[in-house]
Amino acid sequence: AQTVTQSQPEMSVQEAETVTLSCTYDTSESDYYLFWYKQPPSRQMILVIRQEAYKQQNATENRFSVNFQKAAKSFSLKISDSQLGDAAMYFCALGGGADGLTFGKGTHLIIQP
Amino acid sequence: DAGVIQSPRHEVTEMGQEVTLRCKPISGHDYLFWYRQTMMRGLELLIYFNNNVPIDDSGMPEDRFSAKMPNASFSTLKIQPSEPRDSAVYFCASSLLDRNTGELFFGEGSRLTVL
Repeated sequence: AQTVTQSQPEMSVQEAETVTLSCTYDTSESDYYLFWYKQPPSRQMILVIRQEAYKQQNATENRFSVNFQKAAKSFSLKISDSQLGDAAMYFCALGGGADGLTFGKGTHLIIQP
Repeated sequence: DAGVIQSPRHEVTEMGQEVTLRCKPISGHDYLFWYRQTMMRGLELLIYFNNNVPIDDSGMPEDRFSAKMPNASFSTLKIQPSEPRDSAVYFCASSLLDRNTGELFFGEGSRLTVL
């Protein structure tokens, strides 16, 4: 079975600063995909960034980037120049094998103005 | 496209009543998923469809839960009879690609409260 662990239930960062959200996972698959989803107060889950495990280069989407450490099974999300609109729950997710997407429990990100 | 559309957005009902949640996926998406979100258990996959056919319903908690997809543009999740422990946010999501690799597009969820 696949597992995804987000060890930080809540994180707080000052506006314009950088914050890193942690995620570790476990899978027996050799080919898999990793995702970060954002869930704002409106509840709708929105894809932030996606990483294919076979790619060594870390994915980047504007202010969002990942640090993918395959050997360590770690997939952290870095948000640069934090903005008030970044405040949300962030979920790490793993796709691969027969289990489909497995989500972590989430990290609540607070942006301090 | 309008995105994944779910209804109702909120539902409050009494124990024992039947609940029907509805979902319209994004046109052209082959996969449809039903998830349940609670504080205790996080996001759980209940069932998913491929081309209107249920593929994996191993996440459906009990026989009280059933899901259908009569056509490519509509799906329902039914709970009968409902119980207080069914209180959660139920999400529908659709995807163009395989469930492991593709981006899931979520609806805004249906918040169910069973009294």
